[in-house]
Order: sequence, then structure tokens, then C-alpha cells
Amino acid sequence: NAGVMQNPRHLVRRRGQEARLRCSPMKGHSHVYWYRQLPEEGLKFMVYLQKENIIDESGMPKERFSAEFPKEGPSILRIQQVVRGDSAAYFCASSQETGLQETQYFGPGTRLLVL
Amino acid sequence: LAKTTQPISMDSYEGQEVNITCSHNNIATNDYITWYQQFPSQGPRFIIQGYKTKVTNEVASLFIPADRKSSTLSLPRVSLSDTAVYYCLGASTGGGNKLTFGTGTQLKVEL
Repeated sequence: NAGVMQNPRHLVRRRGQEARLRCSPMKGHSHVYWYRQLPEEGLKFMVYLQKENIIDESGMPKERFSAEFPKEGPSILRIQQVVRGDSAAYFCASSQETGLQETQYFGPGTRLLVL
Repeated sequence: LAKTTQPISMDSYEGQEVNITCSHNNIATNDYITWYQQFPSQGPRFIIQGYKTKVTNEVASLFIPADRKSSTLSLPRVSLSDTAVYYCLGASTGGGNKLTFGTGTQLKVEL
């Protein structure tokens, strides 16, 4: 029973390039969440998606950041024209479609370094 | 979502019981208390969740008093491998809940 998978685990980009982070949720999960963690800080919510829909993007920066969760394939977090301040660990979590106490299960994260 | 307050750090020794208390004075009626554990360079791992009274699983126990304004995560007989950051969160029931992480409690276990 594979958990949440993220790739790449590490990503190095130069300023101005694009970063594309992928997340495959746990089997049977249709809710995906993206969080960002800066060094020595807790995780900060960015966006919540269900299949083909963005439900809540209140934590997403208004520019350069976008997310999708297509009908087929992994969820993608895209950062265009990266800047040094985008360097962080990006975590994806998934949860089941229904039910109370909806536990989110996290992936191992993608560590983005912008040079 | 409930704002939570927990100690920044705690130290313990192997074999001891560790209790980490979290305050959540403004917890809402439909909020559950959830604890996550995070090791360096890894994603948070779900430990335990409860609404009130006591919940126990193979990893930990969670005590929530009747007023639900605080909760205590209890780790029995810790080992070196329990050294990690522990986060207490208030999480609403139902779908689409965004989790709010504080800075957590850094637990350090020594020999």
C-alpha cells in the first residue's frame, strides 16, 4: 500500500526558471493538499484540490504559482520564474473523499533550491 | 481553526514517559485535536487524533479534558528514534480542511 509519493525529492533551479513538483496521492484518495515549509518553521497551507477542481487556494501566492490535479495523473504544483525566496520544502498530502476525522497523509516532500 | 500553543522544546531520556501539552482555548465545537510527528527532511506523520476524553493507539495516548481547552500527547517509554518535532493541530471534521501548523515542540531524547 504505497503512501503519498512526490517527485523529484530535490530540485535545483536558477532564478527565472520554472519548477514543477509532482504528487501522487495514496490509492483511493481524491483530495490533495500542498504545503510549504521554510527552515525552522511549521508547514503553511497553499492549496487544496480535488480531481480537476481547485477548492481552496487561499494560501497560494497570487503570481507565479499554480496547481492542478487532472483527471489522470499526479497533481502538479508549478512555480514560474522562481526567485530565491521560493527555496523551501514543498509537501503534498492526501485524504479520502468522505468521512469524519479526515486524516491527511503526507508525502516525503520536494526540496527546492533556487540559486 | 483553533490556534494552538505548545512548548518550543522538551528533553527526555530513553525509557521515560513524555507528555507534551497543547493549549487551544478557542477550539470550536467541530474541531478535532490532531498530532503529527516530523523527522528532519521528512513529511509530517499522523500520530493520533481525538475529540475528548482519552484515545490510545499503538504509538501514543491523547488526553483531552472535558472543557477541551488543552490536550496532552503521551509517549510511553521513548527511545532515541522518537526525537522529532511534534505538532498539535485543531482540525475540523468534514472534507477540505486545511491544517494550520505552528512551530511545534522539538523533543530531544538522549541516552
